[in-house]
Amino acid sequence: GAGVSQSPRYKVAKRGQDVALRCDPISGHVSLFWYQQALGQGPEFLTYFQNEAQLDKSGLPSDRFFAERPEGSVSTLKIQRTQQEDSAVYLCASSRTGTVNQPQHFGDGTRLSIL
Amino acid sequence: AQSVTQLDSHVSVSEGTPVLLRCNYSSSYSPSLFWYVQHPNKGLQLLLKYTSAATLVKGINGFEAEFKKSETSFHLTKPSAHMSDAAEYFCVVSEGNYQLIWGAGTKLIIKP
Repeated sequence: GAGVSQSPRYKVAKRGQDVALRCDPISGHVSLFWYQQALGQGPEFLTYFQNEAQLDKSGLPSDRFFAERPEGSVSTLKIQRTQQEDSAVYLCASSRTGTVNQPQHFGDGTRLSIL
Repeated sequence: AQSVTQLDSHVSVSEGTPVLLRCNYSSSYSPSLFWYVQHPNKGLQLLLKYTSAATLVKGINGFEAEFKKSETSFHLTKPSAHMSDAAEYFCVVSEGNYQLIWGAGTKLIIKP
């Protein structure tokens, strides 16, 4: 498809388990963003890639969160030793470049529930 | 520091009546401002953006927003609501780099 694709759409895990969330951006888009959206809130920035380089990871809430984009296309957000407070929707977005004039295109998100 | 305040968590209007979703921002510089819409269980879609050109910005689906620097506001309007407009709307500010600062959202409810 032509849009940003995220998988899985829903993920349920037990506290303490590791999870991996996948994002397939729009082909040719240089920039890729991860956001966390808690229930009833706006998205909060997690991390930003330009091609394979992770230029900003200031929003990652702890060292349990790790993101990668090894070939400058697909990205994976990994959460280790999940906690209940990690329950949220994780959104991925891509843009042609990283500038604000280029809109960010969002996927439908992965809803993560930690039991 | 940048921030965004969406003044209403919920707005309810009847189909065919005008829509007003309010947004105030705080920014040290000349900001770029956006409105995004999120339908249930879907991703976010850009409605419109202001990037220091015309202060009245027209977007998709009949929405428009006016940038008022003196009031630090960027309210979203539509003359006539449609049932398909029912969704959550987010006001967003950026100071020119890639970082977007999001409001908490306003849920728009359309009554038949």
